[in-house]
Amino acid sequence: EDQVTQSPEALRLQEGESSSLNCSYTVSGLRGLFWYRQDPGKGPEFLFTLYSAGEEKEKERLKATLTKKESFLHITAPKPEDSATYLCAVQAGGGADGLTFGKGTHLIIQP
Amino acid sequence: NAGVTQTPKFRILKIGQSMTLQCTQDMNHNYMYWYRQDPGMGLKLIYYSVGAGITDKGEVPNGYNVSRSTTEDFPLRLELAAPSQTSVYFCASSEYRAHTDTQYFGPGTRLTVL
Repeated sequence: EDQVTQSPEALRLQEGESSSLNCSYTVSGLRGLFWYRQDPGKGPEFLFTLYSAGEEKEKERLKATLTKKESFLHITAPKPEDSATYLCAVQAGGGADGLTFGKGTHLIIQP
Repeated sequence: NAGVTQTPKFRILKIGQSMTLQCTQDMNHNYMYWYRQDPGMGLKLIYYSVGAGITDKGEVPNGYNVSRSTTEDFPLRLELAAPSQTSVYFCASSEYRAHTDTQYFGPGTRLTVL
C-alpha cells in the first residue's frame, strides 16, 4: 500500500526565516511526486512534479528536491503570503492512478 | 479557460437524501477524478475515469456512483446520504502524458449531512 507522511504537521516561522518541509513516501514504482499548495476553503494548487531521485525544481521562494525515500520543500526567506497548507502526493506506476496524499503541513509566516 | 469548475459550493443534506455533485473541465483532459478531504486527513480517491464511458473505483467508493458521458463532465452521485459523507469533495482532471500527468483541482464542494 502506498503511503505518504508529512512533517511537521504545523510550522510557524517569522518572515524571512527559511525552513524545510518533509515528505516521506513508500510507493510501488514511483511515477511522480507532487507538491500542492492549499489555501483555506480552496482546492489544491499545483506547485511541482518530481520524477526521479536527484531532481530539483524551483519557483520563486520554493525549491523542491527528491530522494528515493523522501522529498523536501525548502522555503527561502518566506513572506506572510506563503502561509498555506502544503500537500505532498505520490502517483504509482499506472497511467491513470489517483494520487496518494499526505495530511499536509500547515505553514504560518508571521510578519 | 476556467479549468475545473464544481457546483454547488456548499450543500446541506438530510440523512437519506440524494444529490449530484457537478464537475466540468474545459481543458480537454481525458482523465478525471473525485476525491474527498476530511479534517486532518489527506485527500482520498473515490472514483476516477480515463475517458467517456469508462470509470473505475478508487480507495473509498462505497456510497457513491459516477458516470462519464462526455469528456468535459464527471458528476458524482450520492444516493442515500449518511453523516459519514460529510466532507469536502474535490474534482480533478489531467491529460495523459508519457511521463506523468499533473492533476488540476477544482474549488471543491463542502457537503454537510445532518
